[in-house]
Amino acid sequence: DAGITQSPRHKVTETGTPVTLRCHQTENHRYMYWYRQDPGHGLRLIHYSYGVKDTDKGEVSDGYSVSRSKTEDFLLTLESATSSQTSVYFCATSGTGETYEQYFGPGTRLTVT
Amino acid sequence: GEDVEQSLFLSVREGDSSVINCTYTDSSSTYLYWYKQEPGAGLQLLTYIFSNMDMKQDQRLTVLLNKKDKHLSLRIADTQTGDSAIYFCAESETGANNLFFGTGTRLTVIP
Repeated sequence: DAGITQSPRHKVTETGTPVTLRCHQTENHRYMYWYRQDPGHGLRLIHYSYGVKDTDKGEVSDGYSVSRSKTEDFLLTLESATSSQTSVYFCATSGTGETYEQYFGPGTRLTVT
Repeated sequence: GEDVEQSLFLSVREGDSSVINCTYTDSSSTYLYWYKQEPGAGLQLLTYIFSNMDMKQDQRLTVLLNKKDKHLSLRIADTQTGDSAIYFCAESETGANNLFFGTGTRLTVIP
């Protein structure tokens, strides 16, 4: 398994507060991704990074920002959390192999009250 | 975005074969993947198939790809209770690193 950790694993926060989720990898993978998982929607891409300081938006990026200052760390920030952002958030990484397979972290369950 | 569809639920008896189906719309898909998610865990890559292949077998897993119909299936032989999980298919486009996931199929194995 790729060494991918996420912190925190669980968080409860109030509407309007900022929240930052951290993804850390030890595989030196170039690409990193943030997804959210909601019932009936599968996984939806929020943002991704193709290198240090290089990021781009995914399908559901509104209300989220990301930063990648080091290869191993990819941060997801909810600038002002809303109840619709209650979800399970997964980080993933992939290398530069031709098959593009992604390796996933254990997830962070976020509840916004 | 690309559309990847799966049925939501499948129940099988222990020892039977399971077949999980997936359809996709993107004709430029390069690789197609099957992931497994156990309760409270992240997604684990099970297998993948390149779009110019029809079939791939890996122990109890058989992947069939009908590119003309844009249909992908995962067959699990001799299904065990430990196979109970959510299974996601995903596809990637040529030259891209983004994956598009289906909604997932929850497989329940009845002892």
